[in-house]
Amino acid sequence: SAVISQKPSRDICQRGTSLTIQCQVDSQVTMMFWYRQQPGQSLTLIATANQGSEATYESGFVIDKFPISRPNLTFSTLTVSNMSPEDSSIYLCSVNRGNTGELFFGEGSRLTVL
Amino acid sequence: TQLLEQSPQFLSIQEGENLTVYCNSSSVFSSLQWYRQEPGEGPVLLVTVVTGGEVKKLKRLTFQFGDARKDSSLHITAAQPGDTGLYLCAGNGMEYGNKLVFGAGTILRVKS
Repeated sequence: SAVISQKPSRDICQRGTSLTIQCQVDSQVTMMFWYRQQPGQSLTLIATANQGSEATYESGFVIDKFPISRPNLTFSTLTVSNMSPEDSSIYLCSVNRGNTGELFFGEGSRLTVL
Repeated sequence: TQLLEQSPQFLSIQEGENLTVYCNSSSVFSSLQWYRQEPGEGPVLLVTVVTGGEVKKLKRLTFQFGDARKDSSLHITAAQPGDTGLYLCAGNGMEYGNKLVFGAGTILRVKS
């Protein structure tokens, strides 16, 4: 397993502002994943963050809106830029372990945009 | 279109009842996972099934992977209020670049 800490756990933000979410893992991992989960719904992958290279974004997500940093093998940040109420969601950081792609998740960061 | 169809979407039952959640796809998966998520927490892995026809048990939870590796089920016996949560199935396969594909989830509420 892996211990994954996210901050902030929750925040209320004003429209047009940006917020950076931090994710710290207790061991070195090659890939870190950022997901979005809208209330009561499933998970949508935003991007995969590799150390030393640019993040790989999924369809519908762009770097200008969701810039990601991955400065080392235990840490990543996701910024939600120029927020609107539609960005209100839970943002989850996860890491991959094992050959079957099992994921371990942080506790999530719940963003509410007013 | 959801690549992994989960049913039912929502289930509200009394303590002690049994239930089954289904996860279906037209695609073959090399492995399939089940997660449970409680409010305010991230999803937690319950089990991974890899072999077609495989059955795994975790206390009162029984997981089955279809013979063709396209579907899976989760059966809970004598549900408890502590089983309440969002249950997610997720498949891993070459067709999706070996990324996990999540189902829409099943919200389970067990009333005491």
